[in-house]
Amino acid sequence: QSVLTQPPSVSAAPGQKVTISCSGSSSNIGNNYVSWYQQFPGTAPKLLIYENNKRPSGIPDRFSGSKSGTSATLGITGLQTGDEADYYCGTWDSSLSAWVFGGGTKLTVL
Amino acid sequence: EVQVVESGGGLVQPGGSLRLSCAASGFTFSSYAMSWVRQAPGKGLEWVSSISSTGSSTYYADSVEGRFTISRDNSWNTLYLHMDSLRAEDTAVYYCAKLMTKVTPGACDYWGQGTLVTVSS
Repeated sequence: QSVLTQPPSVSAAPGQKVTISCSGSSSNIGNNYVSWYQQFPGTAPKLLIYENNKRPSGIPDRFSGSKSGTSATLGITGLQTGDEADYYCGTWDSSLSAWVFGGGTKLTVL
Repeated sequence: EVQVVESGGGLVQPGGSLRLSCAASGFTFSSYAMSWVRQAPGKGLEWVSSISSTGSSTYYADSVEGRFTISRDNSWNTLYLHMDSLRAEDTAVYYCAKLMTKVTPGACDYWGQGTLVTVSS
């Protein structure tokens, strides 16, 4: 059972927009920055979003992040079949003194 | 080009020990905190441990506290994870990751390709 809660799966058609939620508490999302990671099968995770809504160099602006209270959201617009991957949110939990990840969300582009 | 390359994984019996290494290049290793993150077969990401840029602060997941030790050698640009009393549930791909900050917490902006640790008799 993950400290951060993500939907197991989401799906949308090519060209559409999808959002992936990440729900936590005041000890983690509520008071710490959230980052998002993309992982294709058999490969290492890749940073998509850091500090809630910032994109590293090279990440297209189709990917966006937001945070409100104890929840965070990853948005992907203009979906492509190449976006099919697992997506994880992560943040620090001040009560646990531990980094925590969500359980991951599998994105299917129909 | 930033690179982090793990090594040291393999098959080990329950109760055994293993040391993972992570060789870093392409950035000033001594200026950034580092982490180990693992992923059991077919499962999600699980944070294992983090260490500050100087090595003065370390953090561990409850699942490995007292059994695993994270360390770094800034002279050799290398991160380590010494694992003792290994259990079957420690079986996973172990990733080395660079943080964007000197201290924890922080996002991981570069990840290695991972090294597989299998604990089995």
